[in-house]
Amino acid sequence: DGGITQSPKYLFRKEGQNVTLSCEQNLNHDAMYWYRQDPGQGLRLIYYSQIVNDFQKGDIAEGYSVSREKKESFPLTVTSAQKNPTAFYLCASSMSGAETQYFGPGTRLLVL
Amino acid sequence: EDQVTQSPEALRLQEGESSSLNCSYTVSGLRGLFWYRQDPGKGPEFLFTLYSAGEEKEKERLKATLTKKESFLHITAPKPEDSATYLCAVPRAQGAQKLVFGQGTRLTINP
Repeated sequence: DGGITQSPKYLFRKEGQNVTLSCEQNLNHDAMYWYRQDPGQGLRLIYYSQIVNDFQKGDIAEGYSVSREKKESFPLTVTSAQKNPTAFYLCASSMSGAETQYFGPGTRLLVL
Repeated sequence: EDQVTQSPEALRLQEGESSSLNCSYTVSGLRGLFWYRQDPGKGPEFLFTLYSAGEEKEKERLKATLTKKESFLHITAPKPEDSATYLCAVPRAQGAQKLVFGQGTRLTINP
């Protein structure tokens, strides 16, 4: 059963703490993406990767970092430099050369 | 600047009352327009891709159409389970794998 999984579903961050959100896909897609969704706003692109060991900043990369060591995995770290991290984080993937993006179920990050 | 605007922001209908949602875009060299459905607390679910003006696609009670400047999502005889936020997105002119999303239309169908 192919798809995208994100974990955890809810994540709590303390002041000054880095946290990592997991994203795994078994669709054999080359490209993967991270978006942030805030109430009343559209999805905003944080980072994307078109191939293993390569990734590019999106529109709001400050305070975030990513890695792409495996084709199926694209973890996102929310660092302490991100001052307003409370949001719904969505991971997506697409086939190389195609543009239809498929989304995971999301992780809601809350600050304690 | 690449931009996507959806209207209305929210729409409340009675069950069986047909209507349309609008997605207007400004991007040069359109390479597709995507519609997604998003339920509260969940990730967007892909519905349709439209590539050229005049194209139409249907799925159950939904039909998406595309012109050179906008797309419509027509919903015919909706049911309460059609309640969701509907998002549209277009690939950017620079970097087609990067999508620009509209803010969505929150649709509520009352029984």
